[in-house]
This record gives sequence, C-alpha cells and structure tokens, in this order.
Amino acid sequence: SSVVTQPPSVSVAPGQTASITCGGNNIERKSVHWYQQKAGQAPVVVIYNDNDRPSGIPERFSGSNSGNTATLTISRVEAGDEADYHCQVWNSSTDHYVFGPGTKVTVL
Amino acid sequence: QVTLKESGPVLVKPTETLTLTCTVSGFSLSDAKMSVSWIRQPPGKALEWLAHIFSTDKKSYSTSLKSRLTISKDTSKSQVVLTMTNMDPVDTATYYCARIEGDMTTTFDYWGQGILVTVSS
Repeated sequence: SSVVTQPPSVSVAPGQTASITCGGNNIERKSVHWYQQKAGQAPVVVIYNDNDRPSGIPERFSGSNSGNTATLTISRVEAGDEADYHCQVWNSSTDHYVFGPGTKVTVL
Repeated sequence: QVTLKESGPVLVKPTETLTLTCTVSGFSLSDAKMSVSWIRQPPGKALEWLAHIFSTDKKSYSTSLKSRLTISKDTSKSQVVLTMTNMDPVDTATYYCARIEGDMTTTFDYWGQGILVTVSS
C-alpha cells in the first residue's frame, strides 16, 4: 500500500519560510495535494497537482515534488498560517486515497 | 455555489450501525466528472479516507474497513450515503464528505463542514 510520511510539527517565526515535507516511495510519480486545516474547521486545499494554487490562495503558498519527497513551502509566514497541513495522494494500485499524518505548523 | 453538508446521528451506541448522509448542491452526482468520498478524522488525529463513489456508481473502499462500509448515492436527491456497521468507540470521529471533479488523481476541491459522531453507551 502507499504510505506517506510527514513531520509531526514545524515551528517558524513570522516573516520566515516554512517547509513541510511529504515523503513516499517515488512520490514524484504521483500528484500530491496539500490541505490546510485550522482548528475546528474542515480542510481546505492550498496546493493541488504538486504545485498548482487554487484561486484565493496567496502566492506565498507553493509546492514541489521530486524523487521521494514533496514539499509545501509557505513564504513570509503569517500568524494566520498556523494550522495543520495534510498531504494526499491517490494510490493507483488500489484505487485508494491516502492522507499523510499531518504536520502542525506553529508560528512563534 | 458548490456545497456539501453531512447529516446523521451525533451519538451512536457500540455495535449499532451508523448512517450518514451527504447532501450536495451546485453540481450533479450524475455528472461524469463528479465523484464523492467520505473521510473521517478522530479527535487530534489524521484524516482517514473511507470510501468513494463515482457517477457511474463504481465504488471503492478502504481495505481496513471494507467489511463494515457501504457507500451509495441517490442522484435525484443529490445525496451520498455512508453506512458503517458494528460501531465502536474507536470510530468516534468527525466524518466529512468531499468532492472530486475530474479523474481520481485530482484533489478534493470542496468539503463539507463535517459531523462529529461519538460512539458511547
């Protein structure tokens, strides 16, 4: 089965850059999607298909995917970016969707 | 405007069967590009995909929960229904429905607000 890994937490100072990784075997062959989930709210997609940004999502959010690691990068971090971030892929072998364990981003 | 809304019981007893309904608007479940998943999240834990249904009525289930899950849809009512049998306290979670537009590799672009289901006697 397809398993993806994420660091449990990332801390970043306001104005700095946060990088959140999503690891998986040859994950570069998959489309990776990233969701932001603030406390008590449903997830919202911030990056889809590795590096596309939905309308309304700030340009500060960007994504990349190479080798065994996909990365969500948040530039010029703001207090409002504090949330859990989940990566997600589709496993073509099983027709199953797979979510990473989530990364809590704390703005210092 | 696309919306999804989950409804159902917020409290179920162990061994009971849970039935949740996702009512959608702003798109049609008969549209070939549209499909819907159920996803859950225990308090403080990760998102877990449960089941998916396509416009063709093709279905896919989580391997670990397949024996307990049934997903179905009523296109005329714009509803997707999930049943989960033999509920246990570990099934306590917020249950979400979410939409996919396009092929299976693309993203869940719209989510419902979620419904917190507690399993307790």
